[in-house]
Amino acid sequence: DIQMTQSPSSLSASVGDRVTITCRASQNINNYLNWYQQKPGKAPKLLIYAASSLQTGVPSRFGGSGSGTDFTLTISSLQPEDFTTYYCQQSYSTPLTFGGGTKVEIK
Amino acid sequence: QVQLVQSGAEVKKPGSSVKVSCKASGGSFGSKAVSWVRQAPGQGLEWMGGILLIIGTTNYAQKFKGRVTITTDESTTTAYMELSSLRYEDTAVYYCAKGGVMVRGGNYYYYYMDLWGNGTTVTVSS
Repeated sequence: DIQMTQSPSSLSASVGDRVTITCRASQNINNYLNWYQQKPGKAPKLLIYAASSLQTGVPSRFGGSGSGTDFTLTISSLQPEDFTTYYCQQSYSTPLTFGGGTKVEIK
Repeated sequence: QVQLVQSGAEVKKPGSSVKVSCKASGGSFGSKAVSWVRQAPGQGLEWMGGILLIIGTTNYAQKFKGRVTITTDESTTTAYMELSSLRYEDTAVYYCAKGGVMVRGGNYYYYYMDLWGNGTTVTVSS
């Protein structure tokens, strides 16, 4: 199975900050990497697919980059509604696997 | 606008089975993929398995093989996930998710999961 490692597991930031979350795959997954946002008690929401493609309706302050084994999710200017948890997920092969999550908290 | 509507919360005894449904309300799953993902209390997301509707193939995570069965009923636009031999550690919220399918090297693969159900809480308790 492909292991996905996210870092940090949590971070504190302020409204307006630029935030970067990292995801590393245990092997080359090309660009088959997706990012999700999950708010408490809710289902995950797709933000970015294929490493850098913005899902329809997702604000442009979210961006993704990377290929191979190293990927990043960047939020260019944190908004109050962005303080929640984010997960990466590889779709290179089954079983699909997720990173452990990154919780973005208010500083 | 398609929504995925899941069945209600369940309380089950250890050793029993649970079957969770996921109805595509307002449309269908199309020739896409349906995955089942679970989340134990306070934990991360775990893919259990899925079905590639375009070729009718199911895939299961090794951890659940032999205990999980994923099916779909096109006539009712409903997907099902049945988990047997329930253990306390199966207590979780179970999500269905519709997703894209990609072709690579002539084979079909799961892509992203862009529409999720509302989740079904399954509690295993004696």
